[in-house]
Amino acid sequence: GAVVSQHPSRVICKSGTSVKIECRSLDFQATTMFWYRQFPKQSLMLMATSNEGSKATYEQGVEKDKFLINHASLTLSTLTVTSAHPEDSSFYICSALGLAGGPTDTQYFGPGTRLTVL
Amino acid sequence: KNQVEQSPQSLIILEGKNCTLQCNYTVSPFSNLRWYKQDTGRGPVSLTIMTFSENTKSNGRYTATLDADTKQSSLHITASQLSDSASYICVVSRMDSSYKLIFGSGTRLLVRP
Repeated sequence: GAVVSQHPSRVICKSGTSVKIECRSLDFQATTMFWYRQFPKQSLMLMATSNEGSKATYEQGVEKDKFLINHASLTLSTLTVTSAHPEDSSFYICSALGLAGGPTDTQYFGPGTRLTVL
Repeated sequence: KNQVEQSPQSLIILEGKNCTLQCNYTVSPFSNLRWYKQDTGRGPVSLTIMTFSENTKSNGRYTATLDADTKQSSLHITASQLSDSASYICVVSRMDSSYKLIFGSGTRLLVRP
């Protein structure tokens, strides 16, 4: 159980276009999802926390108008990279929070989306 | 400052050998510590999770230890296989309502035949 999917797994787009990435929790409901960005040979960097039915909370330095997050249901969060530029090329990973109650609450990670902006 | 530091940064071992990865953290208040395996181009997969009261946890050939007093953890891999080649990330959670994770920079392990 506790499977998180992302779509697409890879996307190549032209500079200036927008790209939407979906994150789904397949077998559990997640009121909270997280979006991360990972550059080569670096660890994950939290971009924003997405709560179902409310506005996302962005980390310092992350442009909310560039990275639009929508968490419209308990199983789906989307990240839209608007007016993408080559420097937005990265590996984007989402996670969904499964609440077991207590200190073992777990973030289940998706397989990631490789974005390449030409 | 809440930080997680891992060593070594990278490691090459021969198939069948054992290895130990290290993690030191300065996270407070501490909730739990996890080790994740991340294959290239994939999302992290949880190997072990330990809370404050646990000092060892095994998952097959992976054994994690936690010393909450010294704030150190290790991940021991026994009888390594080629498929163990990956990045291993130590991740610590704070005991707060944000559920945010504090990531180490990872150890890149390469297992050679």
